[in-house]
Amino acid sequence: NAGVTQTPKFQVLKTGQSMTLQCAQDMNHEYMSWYRQDPGMGLRLIHYSVGAGITDQGEVPNGYNVSRSTTEDFPLRLLSAAPSQTSVYFCASSSGLAGVSGELFFGEGSRLTVL
Amino acid sequence: GENVEQHPSTLSVQEGDSAVIKCTYSDSASNYFPWYKQELGKRPQLIIDIRSNVGEKKDQRIAVTLNKTAKHFSLHITETQPEDSAVYFCAAPANSGYALNFGKGTSLLVTP
Repeated sequence: NAGVTQTPKFQVLKTGQSMTLQCAQDMNHEYMSWYRQDPGMGLRLIHYSVGAGITDQGEVPNGYNVSRSTTEDFPLRLLSAAPSQTSVYFCASSSGLAGVSGELFFGEGSRLTVL
Repeated sequence: GENVEQHPSTLSVQEGDSAVIKCTYSDSASNYFPWYKQELGKRPQLIIDIRSNVGEKKDQRIAVTLNKTAKHFSLHITETQPEDSAVYFCAAPANSGYALNFGKGTSLLVTP
């Protein structure tokens, strides 16, 4: 099992550009989520999904879109990148609801810089 | 969402000493409290969790205690070793249990 795979690991964007961070898991987990990590701010939830076709917003959803067409994939889209979106992004999946009983399995992270 | 306050933000201990990290939460309905460890440049990984029907849980050198009345829970690491140096995050349920809100993290440094 590869677990949770994120691509790319590093990306530099210019303000206004768009891009998609890819996330795939091979553990047949229904629950997937995206967090961003900034110095001194911990991990903040962007969006999450409890199954194919179902997504919801987290704490900091503005500027990001998600979709869940399959159980395996949960891409995060930045429509018009801003310097404030410079961060490390983590995708995570769980066999149960994360806030009830599910251990979150994180990907390796994607470091995004917006100039 | 659930507010999770974590203290201290940095902690430095000598090898062999104990380390304690504390978190408070606001939603009295919360019933699941995990702790994650993140080594430098790595992904966060679950190290221990506790549910609201128990007051303490141990796993070798680490333990977590929960005080539901006061709405706080703590991570205890005994006999610390240099490999315990990392950032530790507590978390509590958010969005009616569909997500986790994390504390801001504690950077633990264990010096030989």
